[in-house]
Amino acid sequence: DTEVTQTPKHLVMGMTNKKSLKCEQHMGHRAMYWYKQKAKKPPELMFVYSYEKLSINESVPSRFSPECPNSSLLNLHLHALQPEDSALYLCASSPRVTSGSHEQFFGPGTRLTVL
Amino acid sequence: DAKTTQPNSMESNEEEPVHLPCNHSTISGTDYIHWYRQLPSQGPEYVIHGLTSNVNNRMASLAIAEDRKSSTLILHRATLRDAAVYYCIQTIDFGNEKLTFGTGTRLTIIP
Repeated sequence: DTEVTQTPKHLVMGMTNKKSLKCEQHMGHRAMYWYKQKAKKPPELMFVYSYEKLSINESVPSRFSPECPNSSLLNLHLHALQPEDSALYLCASSPRVTSGSHEQFFGPGTRLTVL
Repeated sequence: DAKTTQPNSMESNEEEPVHLPCNHSTISGTDYIHWYRQLPSQGPEYVIHGLTSNVNNRMASLAIAEDRKSSTLILHRATLRDAAVYYCIQTIDFGNEKLTFGTGTRLTIIP
């Protein structure tokens, strides 16, 4: 199984809602990532988890809260988002975070719309 | 963050080879060059990566200049399914795999 799955595919939420995005992989990868991609722009790294511990936070606002409950799962909890947070949220995984030589496997993304 | 520069867009005829260039003039000795592509409505997909030598895989070839300041992704026989945005990324090898995506090249394949 070389797939990264993300749920839901689409999400519409109001600015006062709390929601979560989920990501799962069963490739035994120990590094997992969240990226944000605005329309017609490249993906931007948000968070990196290495061995279930947060290793990189790219100065993301606290209304985005990542969680890695185990080596296969990665969540992104959303609270009090703004309309400008509407974007495609991509999850990725790689064998480990020790070298620049490993490929990352990306999921299809969750299309988030904040009203 | 390491920056790469690529043309914004390119066109190629179907069944012909495609050469996608990338400049990475700030590259250091341990930085890798990765290529990913993103098809419409999909997440990015790994294509190929290399350090110093030219690399081949089932999807493409990567030609790295001798001074490593530029590289070229070669699709040997383009198909309509190769239409995508192609990202050239310089990865910093000091303990994390931070991918900093540039603006990429939008490749259009003409039937």
